[in-house]
Amino acid sequence: GENVEQHPSTLSVQEGDSAVIKCTYSDSASNYFPWYKQELGKRPQLIIDIRSNVGEKKDQRIAVTLNKTAKHFSLHITETQPEDSAVYFCAAYPSFLGNEKLTFGTGTRLTIIP
Amino acid sequence: GAGVSQSPSNKVTEKGKDVELRCDPISGHTALYWYRQSLGQGLEFLIYFQGNSAPDKSGLPSDRFSAERTGGSVSTLTIQRTQQEDSAVYLCASSLGGTGFPSYEQYFGPGTRLTVT
Repeated sequence: GENVEQHPSTLSVQEGDSAVIKCTYSDSASNYFPWYKQELGKRPQLIIDIRSNVGEKKDQRIAVTLNKTAKHFSLHITETQPEDSAVYFCAAYPSFLGNEKLTFGTGTRLTIIP
Repeated sequence: GAGVSQSPSNKVTEKGKDVELRCDPISGHTALYWYRQSLGQGLEFLIYFQGNSAPDKSGLPSDRFSAERTGGSVSTLTIQRTQQEDSAVYLCASSLGGTGFPSYEQYFGPGTRLTVT
């Protein structure tokens, strides 16, 4: 089955700086890669996703890049703000019916230092 | 429209008792997922349903855990003879299911915080 590794487990950055979180996956057939943000005491919420036919996707201050050859994808947050402090989870999704579940990474706790 | 709902929001139970956790998915979502999240930890997959069938039960920690889904909608997760290590937040999520990229996005419920004393 799919295995997703996520690094780093914790990350502290100065407000205004950029943050990068990286994930690798094992199943070359995976074709969808979402990122979820979970604020303290809240439910995970999708913030951005990327499909396997796209190399990069941006949405305001966040972007995701995908390298299918190397089987890794990354979340980039620019001009970080205190409200970006949260736990971020990456995930990978298989491309075939019968196993329609996301495999999540172990999470990155991002702290923005004012 | 209404999102995923879960009940109860909090449950305190004594060790050895049985508990039932409920999940109401978004209307029309055929896929439903249960996860467990211990304090400060990641999302531990338990089981997923496509319709009323459970193609993947591989994450259920022991035979004390079971889940069912009826009418392709509501799901219940049952934990028998609860143990202290079962204390965690139990999250439910649903998605459209099937093929096509819009079908993959999972929407999470608020979770049930279970405390076993």
